[in-house]
Amino acid sequence: DAGITQSPRHKVTETGTPVTLRCHQTENHRYMYWYRQDPGHGLRLIHYSYGVKDTDKGEVSDGYSVSRSKTEDFLLTLESATSSQTSVYFCAISEGQGHTDTQYFGPGTRLTVL
Amino acid sequence: GQNIDQPTEMTATEGAIVQINCTYQTSGFNGLFWYQQHAGEAPTFLSYNVLDGLEEKGRFSSFLSRSKGYSYLLLKELQMKDSASYLCAVLDSNYQLIWGAGTKLIIKP
Repeated sequence: DAGITQSPRHKVTETGTPVTLRCHQTENHRYMYWYRQDPGHGLRLIHYSYGVKDTDKGEVSDGYSVSRSKTEDFLLTLESATSSQTSVYFCAISEGQGHTDTQYFGPGTRLTVL
Repeated sequence: GQNIDQPTEMTATEGAIVQINCTYQTSGFNGLFWYQQHAGEAPTFLSYNVLDGLEEKGRFSSFLSRSKGYSYLLLKELQMKDSASYLCAVLDSNYQLIWGAGTKLIIKP
């Protein structure tokens, strides 16, 4: 258990509203990731962080922003949610000091944008 | 472009053996991961291969051939709880994980 929690676990929102998802870890891991998972697609990286205030874009970053003001928290924000952002969102941590280390996932957040 | 191919779905019988294949074309290679994902849950780590050959871990084994861009996950003595999706992921030259869409494994009694 890598000590990762996500909140909320489920959310239904309307198009155009802002949404923030939270990922919290208790074991001081340096690397954190946000993915989305959609049917028929592999997990797709949205953004990742390699330390406090250090973040970078992933494959599908358009429409998303992130912040990491504390080691333990990594926030994903949808500034103005769209129906195409309906998905399951997973947070992950990398146990070691780099991307080559195994990633462990939080329980996921199911987001529905109406 | 980068591509990971896995069969979409496979069916096997309880107690039997099943092999789930993964082929990849990526810009560089820094390792290959297998994860298990039960419906409605998070992916969980199964194995990591970076060198050619077979890695055995209990009922599960994972094989890698870098020259062929090929890996497989072998599950022995199948149990009903092995019904899940199995995800293959490759770490490319930029140390980004590229994920396959997953193989849904259905176990029948």
